[in-house]
Amino acid sequence: AQTVTQSQPEMSVQEAETVTLSCTYDTSESDYYLFWYKQPPSRQMILVIRQEAYKQQNATENRFSVNFQKAAKSFSLKISDSQLGDAAMYFCAYRFLFNNDMRFGAGTRLTVKP
Amino acid sequence: DGGITQSPKYLFRKEGQNVTLSCEQNLNHDAMYWYRQDPGQGLRLIYYSQIVNDFQKGDIAEGYSVSREKKESFPLTVTSAQKNPTAFYLCASSPYSGTAYEQYFGPGTRLTVT
Repeated sequence: AQTVTQSQPEMSVQEAETVTLSCTYDTSESDYYLFWYKQPPSRQMILVIRQEAYKQQNATENRFSVNFQKAAKSFSLKISDSQLGDAAMYFCAYRFLFNNDMRFGAGTRLTVKP
Repeated sequence: DGGITQSPKYLFRKEGQNVTLSCEQNLNHDAMYWYRQDPGQGLRLIYYSQIVNDFQKGDIAEGYSVSREKKESFPLTVTSAQKNPTAFYLCASSPYSGTAYEQYFGPGTRLTVT
């Protein structure tokens, strides 16, 4: 069974600085997708970024980028120029290509200090 | 506006009572999901449905039941058999598998059973 591990229960960053959240996953499949979701205090889950495993190029979305290391089964999220609104729980998720069963990590709570 | 609605936002029940959580989507998505979120455990899959009149158990289906009579609706019933029903419940939907589509989430329902 696929598992997703987020080893940092909590992280903090100074406003305008950069922070990296870690995620590792375990799978025997070669075709899959990886996602980072943000859950602010409102508890609404918001997609931050997605990565297709067949793409070697790391995905970027404005201030958010990933470091995808397929061989190491690692998928970290880098947030640049951190803003107060980035404070939230961040969940890493894995989905196999041929089904919709998505697996989530336990989450990392990010605090942004002014 | 297209989206997923869950009602109510907060729900209170007495122990021993069944309770049904509503989930409606107007995104024309084929697949729908129910997750349970507890502190420190991320999201755990309860049930999912890929098409109308068909659904599958997730990792923690015991004590829960679902129906999928319409594409737009996927209600979850928390039965009295669920030993620890107090939690935050999230409904999600996605287009059918085979693409990089993420899951879209509703705002959630906080269920408290006393």
